[in-house]
Amino acid sequence: LAKTTQPISMDSYEGQEVNITCSHNNIATNDYITWYQQFPSQGPRFIIQGYKTKVTNEVASLFIPADRKSSTLSLPRVSLSDTAVYYCLVDNQAGTALIFGKGTTLSVSS
Amino acid sequence: NAGVTQTPKFQVLKTGQSMTLQCAQDMNHEYMSWYRQDPGMGLRLIHYSVGAGITDQGEVPNGYNVSRSTTEDFPLRLLSAAPSQTSVYFCASSLGLLHDIQYFGAGTRLSVL
Repeated sequence: LAKTTQPISMDSYEGQEVNITCSHNNIATNDYITWYQQFPSQGPRFIIQGYKTKVTNEVASLFIPADRKSSTLSLPRVSLSDTAVYYCLVDNQAGTALIFGKGTTLSVSS
Repeated sequence: NAGVTQTPKFQVLKTGQSMTLQCAQDMNHEYMSWYRQDPGMGLRLIHYSVGAGITDQGEVPNGYNVSRSTTEDFPLRLLSAAPSQTSVYFCASSLGLLHDIQYFGAGTRLSVL
C-alpha cells in the first residue's frame, strides 16, 4: 500500500486560497488519489478524486504532477466553515484495504 | 435514501460487557467497513467486507468481530469490552472497488469504564 505524508496542521484566514500537499512516493500505476474532509463529530465526506493532471469540482481542485508522487488539494477562498481535517488517500483498483492517515487539520480564522 | 445509518449514537459499557454496533446502508453497496477514531490518531480500519459472506481484517481487528449476512448490514461486535476500546466508531460503505466514494455514517461514541 502506498503510504501518504501530509502536514499535521495548517492555518489560514478567510478569503485565502489554501493548498495542502500530500506526498505518496510509492504510488502504484493503478492507484487513485482521493481526498476526504471531516468536521468535528461527523464522519468523513468525499471531496475530490483524481488519477493524473488536474481535477476540479465545485468544492476544490486537485493537482497531480506527471510523476504522481505527490498531489495538492487546493481550496479557493476558504471560509470559517472550511475548518476541518483533510485526509489524503491512495488506493488501487484491485480492492485492498483503504487506509486513512492522521490527516491535516486546517484552521481558518477571521 | 438514508445512506449509512449507525446505531446507537452513544453507548457506555462496563469492562467485560459485550455489545453490537449496528451499521446499515440502503445504497446497495458491496463494500462496507468499520473504523475507529481516537484523538490525534486519524481513522484506523478495523474490519471490512467486499460483499455478503466475505469479511477481512484491517489494521486493528483484535477485540472485534464482524459478519456480513446481508448486503445491507455490517454489525461490529465487541465480545468483552475493554477501556482501550473507548473510541468513536465509523461505518462506511462504497459501491464497489475502493476508489469508489466512501459514504460514512454519523458515528457511534463508545465509552468503556
